[in-house]
Amino acid sequence: SQQGEEDPQALSIQEGENATMNCSYKTSINNLQWYRQNSGRGLVHLILIRSNEREKHSGRLRVTLDTSKKSSSLLITASRAADTASYFCAIIQGAQKLVFGQGTRLTINP
Amino acid sequence: DTEVTQTPKHLVMGMTNKKSLKCEQHMGHRAMYWYKQKAKKPPELMFVYSYEKLSINESVPSRFSPECPNSSLLNLHLHALQPEDSALYLCASSQEGGGTGELFFGEGSRLTVL
Repeated sequence: SQQGEEDPQALSIQEGENATMNCSYKTSINNLQWYRQNSGRGLVHLILIRSNEREKHSGRLRVTLDTSKKSSSLLITASRAADTASYFCAIIQGAQKLVFGQGTRLTINP
Repeated sequence: DTEVTQTPKHLVMGMTNKKSLKCEQHMGHRAMYWYKQKAKKPPELMFVYSYEKLSINESVPSRFSPECPNSSLLNLHLHALQPEDSALYLCASSQEGGGTGELFFGEGSRLTVL
């Protein structure tokens, strides 16, 4: 399976700290995506990083991709209570199937 | 308009009922998706429509029947469901059917089967 595996499964930090989540996968990819899901809501696309990119930024988000290690990380800097959510990496399997990792549940404590 | 709208938000049905979930997008996207998500699990793909044609069926039981009446609408018809089908059903769309770009998700329909 190309499904991404995420680490840690759960992360609890204090507001203002940085949060790092990792995603590993098994086969070659064209791109890797990260999504956020607030409890019981829909998923929101955060960032897409292509296989020829090593790092990408969007606001307080930084995503890295290491294709040699088949891994990606999502860093959220200066965390806020509103960042409390589940975060999923996702990769394409076949032509159209976007497959999600198990996710990391992030809790930001005030 | 960058929204995917799903109705109803909540649905409770018995095992003998017939109901439908509806999804609508007006972004001109040509691919639409149904995902199923159980509590504390990732979304799992059920169906993909590309240019209004069913392109992927992930071996979903026939009690789930998708329909794409036009490029903006996607339905999921439900019949004779089981309690284990209770879940959050998410609709998504993407610009092209190639599946390489981002997906836009609706807020989901939370289904409870009694």
